[in-house]
Amino acid sequence: EAGVTQFPSHSVIEKGQTVTLRCDPISGHDNLYWYRRVMGKEIKFLLHFVKESKQDESGMPNNRFLAERTGGTYSTLKVQPAELEDSGVYFCASSRDRGYGYTFGSGTRLTVV
Amino acid sequence: GENVGLHLPTLSVQEGDNSIINCAYSNSASDYFIWYKQESGKGPQFIIDIRSNMDKRQGQRVTVLLNKTVKHLSLQIAATQPGDSAVYFCADSSGYSTLTFGKGTMLLVSP
Repeated sequence: EAGVTQFPSHSVIEKGQTVTLRCDPISGHDNLYWYRRVMGKEIKFLLHFVKESKQDESGMPNNRFLAERTGGTYSTLKVQPAELEDSGVYFCASSRDRGYGYTFGSGTRLTVV
Repeated sequence: GENVGLHLPTLSVQEGDNSIINCAYSNSASDYFIWYKQESGKGPQFIIDIRSNMDKRQGQRVTVLLNKTVKHLSLQIAATQPGDSAVYFCADSSGYSTLTFGKGTMLLVSP
């Protein structure tokens, strides 16, 4: 089966601009998660979708981050406006069962300059 | 690479040696534990998992040990190979909640 696909793999934007990251989960996986690792820190949870519904968004750092999963398939994570501290690697993962059997994508490396 | 600035603990071993990577977790309610391997430019790749009702689980060349008393997890890799060189993360969760990742350990295997 195809894995979790993330696009783009790299993005360099200026402070204040908007960036949208996309994640295509494994087909049939209702659970989709966003995580990120910012410089010098551990990988941290951002949010969890079950189908198109936000199950847990407790990790979203502030209202500059907006995640959507219309139709319960792919998801987008928009950062608007981007700040320097948003630089890092954003990972998406999906699973068929909640809390088990995660498959991670290769991540999007975001650099805000 | 993406691990610059993380100041990861590093374990250096010779090819053929056994490697032991350790991890401490903080949530005493955690009941599910996973080890991930991350190579440069890739996402975390599942290696092995264990639930809290077990204290040991074996896979192919890998063994995970869980000590709930001291909240400690270890990953043993037998006959380490150069292809095992990567950053290894432990992660835990409780009650099917989301994962909490450890800081990671960089494993360097010399031929």
